[in-house]
Amino acid sequence: DTAVSQTPKYLVTQMGNDKSIKCEQNLGHDTMYWYKQDSKKFLKIMFSYNNKELIINETVPNRFSPKSPDKAHLNLHINSLELGDSAVYFCASSQGTGGRETQYFGPGTRLLVL
Amino acid sequence: QKEVEQDPGPLSVPEGAIVSLNCTYSNSAFQYFMWYRQYSRKGPELLMYTYSSGNKEDGRFTAQVDKSSKYISLFIRDSQPSDSATYLCAMRTTLANQGGKLIFGQGTELSVKP
Repeated sequence: DTAVSQTPKYLVTQMGNDKSIKCEQNLGHDTMYWYKQDSKKFLKIMFSYNNKELIINETVPNRFSPKSPDKAHLNLHINSLELGDSAVYFCASSQGTGGRETQYFGPGTRLLVL
Repeated sequence: QKEVEQDPGPLSVPEGAIVSLNCTYSNSAFQYFMWYRQYSRKGPELLMYTYSSGNKEDGRFTAQVDKSSKYISLFIRDSQPSDSATYLCAMRTTLANQGGKLIFGQGTELSVKP
């Protein structure tokens, strides 16, 4: 049973299109995250939601809009896709944000913008 | 300058070798230190976790934190081909407004040859 799942796994699209990535966790966690991993494997946080409320927004362009319909889901919508958006996007979840909690990552969504 | 610096490698060692992976950081507020392992085309998974300075051992893996030098290490003893992966150091502060944000190093790609 997958703890953190993402759909789709692969996404190939043209510049200027709008796309969404979905994430679901079945761990009962209250906090979910979106990270972006570039071609050099550098992993950087984009957003964090705790109990459906946005708590971190890391200077991400407003073309990226996360939405958390409930604690188990965190989706990422990207408008007007650009070449530089090509990356692997990881969803993660944790119970709380106090520091000792473990973040569990999904398998990633590989986005390629042509 | 990045908050966390990690030599990206690649690092290639023979089976059975002792591997040393390192990260340096600049933010003295970091208190929680983690090592994640990421297999090719998979999400990162937590390998080791240390709070503040000190050592922690788990089987063939030892994590060390030296806060005075702002330097953390992961040692792998008797390395196996199955250890071949990218190893990412990560750290976070205890500040309440950080929302669980992890700051990652770039990752070191390790290959253990049979």
